[in-house]
Amino acid sequence: GEDVEQSLFLSVREGDSSVINCTYTDSSSTYLYWYKQEPGAGLQLLTYIFSNMDMKQDQRLTVLLNKKDKHLSLRIADTQTGDSAIYFCAVRRGFNAGNMLTFGGGTRLMVKP
Amino acid sequence: DAGITQSPRHKVTETGTPVTLRCHQTENHRYMYWYRQDPGHGLRLIHYSYGVKDTDKGEVSDGYSVSRSKTEDFLLTLESATSSQTSVYFCAIQDAGQPHSGNTIYFGEGSWLTVV
Repeated sequence: GEDVEQSLFLSVREGDSSVINCTYTDSSSTYLYWYKQEPGAGLQLLTYIFSNMDMKQDQRLTVLLNKKDKHLSLRIADTQTGDSAIYFCAVRRGFNAGNMLTFGGGTRLMVKP
Repeated sequence: DAGITQSPRHKVTETGTPVTLRCHQTENHRYMYWYRQDPGHGLRLIHYSYGVKDTDKGEVSDGYSVSRSKTEDFLLTLESATSSQTSVYFCAIQDAGQPHSGNTIYFGEGSWLTVV
């Protein structure tokens, strides 16, 4: 099955850029997602990228996909204290809605003022 | 707001008792999921449903059963709760056939279950 790995923790200073990394094993992955979870809340979809794309930008968020290395990253520009949360990457294998997502273990981002 | 309501949001129960968690959606989406979240494991799929009375097992289905008698409701039952089932449970929904939107899954706010 699919394995999705993330580093556990990242600490940055307010105003700096944050880069959260994710690696996966299944080369047939089609959609790749980033979710944000704040304390006591559910997962909020931040963005997703289709496997035929290398990059996707959405305001302060930039997603980079390296299919050769099976590496996905999320860059947050001008990181704010409100960005402190746990970030999960998730990968879908196949194109059908019934194909399940596999989640990484999450990266806890701490933003210091 | 993805139109998902989970109940109860918090519950403490004793080992061996049955527990049912409810997920209600207002979006009329076909797919519904139950995940559990544990430290170091991310989210793991317990069961999912692809329509009324159509359900299937996920990665960690042992000790759990589900039912979906109406499109809007998906119930997760722990027949005899154990301490290893202490976790946060998330319901999620997905609209099938929306590849242009990434077949995105949307999550509820979670149900915190403690088995003592």
